Amino acid sequence: KAGVTQTPRYLIKTRGQQVTLSCSPISGHRSVSWYQQTPGQGLQFLFEYFSETQRNKGNFPGRFSGRQFSNSRSEMNVSTLELGDSALYLCASSLSRLDTEAFFGQGTRLTVV
Amino acid sequence: AQTVTQSQPEMSVQEAETVTLSCTYDTSENNYYLFWYKQPPSRQMILVIRQEAYKQQNATENRFSVNFQKAAKSFSLKISDSQLGDTAMYFCAFMKLNQFYFGTGTSLTVIP
Repeated sequence: KAGVTQTPRYLIKTRGQQVTLSCSPISGHRSVSWYQQTPGQGLQFLFEYFSETQRNKGNFPGRFSGRQFSNSRSEMNVSTLELGDSALYLCASSLSRLDTEAFFGQGTRLTVV
Repeated sequence: AQTVTQSQPEMSVQEAETVTLSCTYDTSENNYYLFWYKQPPSRQMILVIRQEAYKQQNATENRFSVNFQKAAKSFSLKISDSQLGDTAMYFCAFMKLNQFYFGTGTSLTVIP
């Protein structure tokens, strides 16, 4: 079965713009989490969605937001992009919130210039 | 708060040899899960091994095994018979309520 699919794989945006990243979880998985990976800060949790509701949120400014659709696909949006938002954004999916087996996508590499 | 510490930024090992990657963590939780993930240049995080904190027996997956010391909050990964394909970044992680807390990673290079 197909794995976690993140689109696009690469993205270049200008400061001040906004961006939307997409994550399609494994079929049947209902929990989707997002992580930001940077050389300086490492892997940091952004937020988790389950059943179209945000269940948990990391310590990021309000410019970072997300949503989940009824088919469990998730999007994250970053508004008013800053240079420091350049990162690899990873999405992970799992069957449920109690499932400890999470599968990651290949990520979206966002570069802000 | 949960923290995960990996004190070895880089390591190398000869092909077919054994290497151990260190990880310590801090938590006040009693029930939790610990993981080792591998991130090759393709960037995809791949699960290597998982340990449930309430299980005293160390987890093993083929050439990969862990030494889990709950009291010491230590969770090291041993890779036996290292292969070139093991070259990657390795992350130790703690999970609680479906949220991962990752260490800073150890870059492992397997030398032919």
